[in-house]
Amino acid sequence: DAGITQSPRHKVTETGTPVTLRCHQTENHRYMYWYRQDPGHGLRLIHYSYGVKDTDKGEVSDGYSVSRSKTEDFLLTLESATSSQTSVYFCAAWGGTQETQYFGPGTRLLVL
Amino acid sequence: DAKTTQPPSMDCAEGRAANLPCNHSTISGNEYVYWYRQIHSQGPQYIIHGLKNNETNEMASLIITEDRKSSTLILPHATLRDTAVYYCIDGYEKLTFGTGTRLQVTL
Repeated sequence: DAGITQSPRHKVTETGTPVTLRCHQTENHRYMYWYRQDPGHGLRLIHYSYGVKDTDKGEVSDGYSVSRSKTEDFLLTLESATSSQTSVYFCAAWGGTQETQYFGPGTRLLVL
Repeated sequence: DAKTTQPPSMDCAEGRAANLPCNHSTISGNEYVYWYRQIHSQGPQYIIHGLKNNETNEMASLIITEDRKSSTLILPHATLRDTAVYYCIDGYEKLTFGTGTRLQVTL
């Protein structure tokens, strides 16, 4: 499972507050991803990274920024959280013996 | 937007084979077919993938048609624990998920 952990696992915050979610992997994988999942929408890609300091936008990147200063950590930041960003956020990394995407356990974010 | 088409839901009796279809109408030559599943609110779990040939592992079998425009995931003896949402995806390194097929395994 590429040793992927996410923190925090649950967070409640207020509109307008900055929020940072952390994804950590232990397998030195080059590619990492952030998705959000909402009812009726499946998983939608927010941002991804193809190396340290190399990131690109996904299909729903507005309102989010990312940073990757180390191979093992990929941070997702909501600069000013809005209620529409209430969601479950999944991190993933590409690699492993099967050369595929492996997912973390998810972070449930509630923006009041 | 998702590139694949799946039925929204399917039922299967426990112990029987579950055959989940997927259409890959826009798949390109270097893109793989991947299958994942998601149980409750857990992170998606990798099941199997292939390029052209049929594949089998301890979880499932994958059948890919010769033109690669469709695939079928086969769970040979479904159990209640296989109740989940199943996603088929075609791509490589950046995977786009659709809404999947909700498989309900019943007694």
